[in-house]
Amino acid sequence: QVQLQESGPGLVKPSQTLSLTCTVSGGSISSGDYYWGWFRQPPGKGLEWIGYIHSSGTTSYNPSLESRVTISLDTSKNQFSLRLSSVTASDTAVYYCARKPPQYGLDVWGQGTTVTVSS
Amino acid sequence: DIQMTQSPSTLSASVGDRVTITCRASQSINSWLAWYQQKPGKAPKLLIYKASSLESGVPSRFSGSGSGTEFTLTISSLQPDDFAIYYCHQYNSYWTFGQGTKVEIK
Repeated sequence: QVQLQESGPGLVKPSQTLSLTCTVSGGSISSGDYYWGWFRQPPGKGLEWIGYIHSSGTTSYNPSLESRVTISLDTSKNQFSLRLSSVTASDTAVYYCARKPPQYGLDVWGQGTTVTVSS
Repeated sequence: DIQMTQSPSTLSASVGDRVTITCRASQSINSWLAWYQQKPGKAPKLLIYKASSLESGVPSRFSGSGSGTEFTLTISSLQPDDFAIYYCHQYNSYWTFGQGTKVEIK
């Protein structure tokens, strides 16, 4: 079955760009009708949607983060990526990637990766 | 933006209790709502999608109902494995989560 795995630096300096990758195994990221999303959860807090990219390449971002976020697909590596620019301490969180079929919920999640923003 | 408000924030209950969590949307989301269970240090797990459809493999004691702006998640008989945090998630317009409901042991 499909599995997702996040990867990237665990520590990012303030004002720099956070870059994470989600590797998809067990299925092709570019086939089928799926949304591939990024989420985060600050320590002790709830879930926040960052944005998604559809298998077709269409993107949608949380309006509160849109000016700093880019999500892209790399079909050759079966991955999708997150870039969040100008980070501050408030961007410290566990970051998750997940898959969503149309009309469905988020049915497959990565295990999450912790990113700390600190000098 | 669509805001999702869950209540209560914390719920104390005993094994065997019937538990209900409510999620209200700031505007109609039709039936485009999902519920998740999250345990400490783990990713969320999908329980319910399209307001009332049970995800494959999820015990039948979980059920969802509602449409428009008001939704509920019900656990008919709380089991020890059900103590966790529950989130609602609307996917009608952009995506938004409720703030979560912690179900704790009474």
